[in-house]
Amino acid sequence: GNSVTQMEGPVTLSEEAFLTINCTYTATGYPSLFWYVQYPGEGLQLLLKATKADDKGSNKGFEATYRKETTSFHLEKGSVQVSDSAVYFCALSEGGDYKLSFGAGTTVTVRA
Amino acid sequence: NAGVTQTPKFQVLKTGQSMTLQCAQDMNHEYMSWYRQDPGMGLRLIHYSVGAGITDQGEVPNGYNVSRSTTEDFPLRLLSAAPSQTSVYFCASSTPGLARQETQYFGPGTRLLVL
Repeated sequence: GNSVTQMEGPVTLSEEAFLTINCTYTATGYPSLFWYVQYPGEGLQLLLKATKADDKGSNKGFEATYRKETTSFHLEKGSVQVSDSAVYFCALSEGGDYKLSFGAGTTVTVRA
Repeated sequence: NAGVTQTPKFQVLKTGQSMTLQCAQDMNHEYMSWYRQDPGMGLRLIHYSVGAGITDQGEVPNGYNVSRSTTEDFPLRLLSAAPSQTSVYFCASSTPGLARQETQYFGPGTRLLVL
């Protein structure tokens, strides 16, 4: 079956530091890959997505590239802000299926 | 558009009690689903629906029941609450317009505590 593995947190950074959150996946076919973000006290919202190999998703300064050869979709941001403090979830869906398989989530705290 | 709304925001139940978590969306989305979020486990799919009158089980369906009589509403019923059902519950919706490429829209969540 499908599964997603994320690096464990929590991650604590200073403002303007570089952020990387590793995500690898297992799927039987060609999944779509997503990063969702959950800000404190809120529901999840889509941060970025990629639907085929070598696609790069980007939003709000975050980027992730769909790497089929390494089955990875690592999230990066070059200079984080305090407002980026949140829980980040990597997820996938496969085929015509809307069901999302989520990683465990990574809590990121950015200090001023 | 209000998007995806969930009620209540927070609920305390005693073991054995039943209750219904409400979920509604005003985006005319065909696909709706329920997830539970537990520490260190991400979100796990409970039940989902691909349209009115059609529901199916997800990864962790035991102890939960759903129905989909309208496109807008997708309530989740706890038949006899257990402490293991203490969790945060999220409802989500999407459209099949672009199949698996579509974004899912999540509600704000319901925090449930079962004593």
